[in-house]
Amino acid sequence: QVQLVESGGGVVQPGGSLRLSCAGSGFTFSSYGIHWVRQAPGKGLEWVAFIRYDGSNKYYADSVRGRFTMSRDNSKNTVYLQMNSLRADDTAVYYCAKEWEVGATTWTFEYWGQGTLVTVSS
Amino acid sequence: DIQMTQSPSSLSAFVGDRVTISCRASQSIYSYLNWYQHKPGNAPKLLIYAASSLQTGVPSRFSGSKSGADFTLTISSLRPEDFAIYYCQQSYSTPYGFGQGTRLEIQ
Repeated sequence: QVQLVESGGGVVQPGGSLRLSCAGSGFTFSSYGIHWVRQAPGKGLEWVAFIRYDGSNKYYADSVRGRFTMSRDNSKNTVYLQMNSLRADDTAVYYCAKEWEVGATTWTFEYWGQGTLVTVSS
Repeated sequence: DIQMTQSPSSLSAFVGDRVTISCRASQSIYSYLNWYQHKPGNAPKLLIYAASSLQTGVPSRFSGSKSGADFTLTISSLRPEDFAIYYCQQSYSTPYGFGQGTRLEIQ
């Protein structure tokens, strides 16, 4: 079955950096785009970033553009979210989610991981 | 940006009830509307895509519909495992935002 497992969350000071990982299994990882979606405490869901199946294109929400960078290593079935210049309002549970359609970008999040918590605090 | 407005923000119901959750887009998104179920501590789950298509493996008591700019998620007969938070999400244009969520609670 499809499985996505996030890791790398933790507590970081404002201005600091963190790298999240998302490992996928149960599907042809190299054929699907992967999204990051976050949920701040007590808030709703916010789409953060997306990387195409082959890493050729990446898209970011305005709130993170210039600070966050997505990458992927299809040989390891893993995508990464490098988060720099972290701010208190980046505190959230970060979920990775598999694109719905093979080789395409539909902005539909078919399967999700259970999330990893990032806390930005001094 | 397209704003997604869900209503109600919370809802109490009994097992066996029929419930509807509404979602309105601030501009036309055609049928680019998805519904998700989220139980805190768990991975969110895709229920409905393209406004009315049932995701594989999702029980048929869930359905989605569209009328103009208004979208509706219907659960025909609530089961205990359906109590969760439900989100709509538009997949038409960036930033592909979500509604604020509807918390469905047991009465």
